This record gives sequence, structure tokens and C-alpha cells, in this order.
Amino acid sequence: RKEVEQDPGPFNVPEGATVAFNCTYSNSASQSFFWYRQDCRKEPKLLMSVYSSGNEDGRFTAQLNRASQYISLLIRDSKLSDSATYLCVVGTSGGSQGNLIFGKGTKLSVKP
Amino acid sequence: EPEVTQTPSHQVTQMGQEVILRCVPISNHLYFYWYRQILGQKVEFLVSFYNNEISEKSEIFDDQFSVERPDGSNFTLKIRSTKLEDSAMYFCASPHGGQIMNTEAFFGQGTRLTVV
Repeated sequence: RKEVEQDPGPFNVPEGATVAFNCTYSNSASQSFFWYRQDCRKEPKLLMSVYSSGNEDGRFTAQLNRASQYISLLIRDSKLSDSATYLCVVGTSGGSQGNLIFGKGTKLSVKP
Repeated sequence: EPEVTQTPSHQVTQMGQEVILRCVPISNHLYFYWYRQILGQKVEFLVSFYNNEISEKSEIFDDQFSVERPDGSNFTLKIRSTKLEDSAMYFCASPHGGQIMNTEAFFGQGTRLTVV
């Protein structure tokens, strides 16, 4: 059973496209939710936290559905610089799984 | 932006050798974490460290691994006898405040360990 599961990808889209990433998590006691971005062979960097009410940051919109244990990320008007792997990350407290559980990521390539 | 520094950026070692990976976390942060990422795989939790003690560790973090904070600033991960399957990127993480699941986590640029 996968703790955090994401679309396998990759997504190849033209500039200006709208892209949606989906994620599900298995632990109903999870407390916090994030989208991280990881460039090739680099460290993960926080893109945005995800709240139950949904939140938006410029071209990026994140949503959380606790009942369905589902998290999404929408990128509008995609740019070449958005090309990266997007990691769905869930925070839990305690247990041998650690505090942040990462999905495998979905790779996005934005083409001119 | 706060910075977590890791050294070396790349280490090649022979199987069975000991390696020490170093991290300088953000000052005044109390929680520190090590994660690893095997090439093409997901980021996996290894161990968390708080108040100079291990607070939690995963199944991956067996007796071959140890962590220390030798001088109050540096934070090290030691692998005593490396195996081929230890080849991975190792990331040190320093959360902004408190435990990592509650806040933004700053990751170091990673150490790529290659065991041959």
C-alpha cells in the first residue's frame, strides 16, 4: 500500500497550458499537506502548503479534500520555468514513517 | 532565504568503507532531519534529531547508520560499512520552526553518495 500516490506522468505540455496534478494519501490521521518542487538532481523546495479551504498563489492553486484523502495542484498559464518534478508531501506525527511522507513525484515538461 | 549547507556535494566510496556526510543547519533551529533519495525513487525519511538526541528513525536507519552533532553546529550522518544499495542523494532538512510536518522545511542541496 502506497502512503502517498501521485500520477506517474510525465506531463508534456505547451507553454500557456493548464496542468493538474492529483495525489491521494492513505493515512487519515495526516495533519499537513504540501506541494514541493524538485528540479533535476536538486533538493526539494516548498511550493505551497495546502489548506482545507483551498489556497492560491499566483498561477498556482492547491486544494485538499480530507474526506476523499485527495490533494490537487493546478498550474495555469504554464511557463518553461515550471518544468520540474512536483512532489505531493503529507505530514504526520510520530510512527516509524517519519514526519514527512513524500510521493514519488510527477514530472512536468513545458515546451515552447 | 535561509540556507542549509551540506558537504561534500558528491562522494564516491568503496563498498565496506565508512562515510560521514555533513550538514550545517539553519542556526537556532531545533529539529534536524536526514532524508535520502535513491535515483528515480521517492524521498525517504531516515532520522529526526532534537535536543541532541534521535527523536525518531525509520526502518532504513539500521545499526549501520548514526547521527551526531559533534560541535553544536554541524550535524553528521555516518554510514559505517557502506553497501551498494546505500548509493543515493542524502538530504539534510531544517524546518522553519518546530517539527517538520507543521512548517516549511529547508533542504540542503544534498550529498550524492556513490558506492562502488
